[in-house]
Amino acid sequence: EVQLVQSGAEVKKPGESLKISCKGSGYNFNNYWIVWVRQMPGKGLEWMGIIYPDDSDTKYSPSFQGQVTISADKSITTAYLQWNSLKASDTAMYYCARTKENTIFGVVRWNWFDPWGQGTLVTVSS
Amino acid sequence: DIQMTQSPSSLSASVGDRVTITCRASQSISSYLNWYQQKPGKAPKLLIYAASSLQSGVPSRFSGSGSGTDFTLTISSLQPEDFATYYCQQSYSIPFTFGPGTKVDIK
Repeated sequence: EVQLVQSGAEVKKPGESLKISCKGSGYNFNNYWIVWVRQMPGKGLEWMGIIYPDDSDTKYSPSFQGQVTISADKSITTAYLQWNSLKASDTAMYYCARTKENTIFGVVRWNWFDPWGQGTLVTVSS
Repeated sequence: DIQMTQSPSSLSASVGDRVTITCRASQSISSYLNWYQQKPGKAPKLLIYAASSLQSGVPSRFSGSGSGTDFTLTISSLQPEDFATYYCQQSYSIPFTFGPGTKVDIK
């Protein structure tokens, strides 16, 4: 079974650092991209960024560039989302999901997101 | 960036009703349009990919159509387990973008 399992809920104070994880299993982790998606309380879905674990090629949404760091360790089939200095506005549910890139006549297009991890709730409060 | 809009933002319907949700992209995205269902406290679940392909295990009462800029998700006969929020998402280009969601609740 293809599965993404995320690390557990976190409660942090403003200014603290945090790294959450997403472990893939049941497929060749190196052959798919992992995306991170934020959902703030009561709000919609926002794409944050994407990483290719095989070579750690990473792309960020302009909204999140410089705010978070996405990384991966292919030896343990795990992707990460990291903050150096959390803010109260980082309070949200964070999801990882799998996708694949397709190159058609030299143009890059993308597949859907499936499966999704169960989510990691990050609460930042003083 | 490609902007995604959905209508309506919410709707009330009864079990057995036919429900249609519309998604529009700010530029042509061919058929790179996906639909997700999200229930409270749960991760989103893929329903329809590439505009009209039904994800394995998803009931056939769900269907998708459209290409270019205009897309539709249809539930042919609403069931109690279908009350949820539905999101469209373009996978045509980075940055990927989602629609704001359509909440389907019980009339």
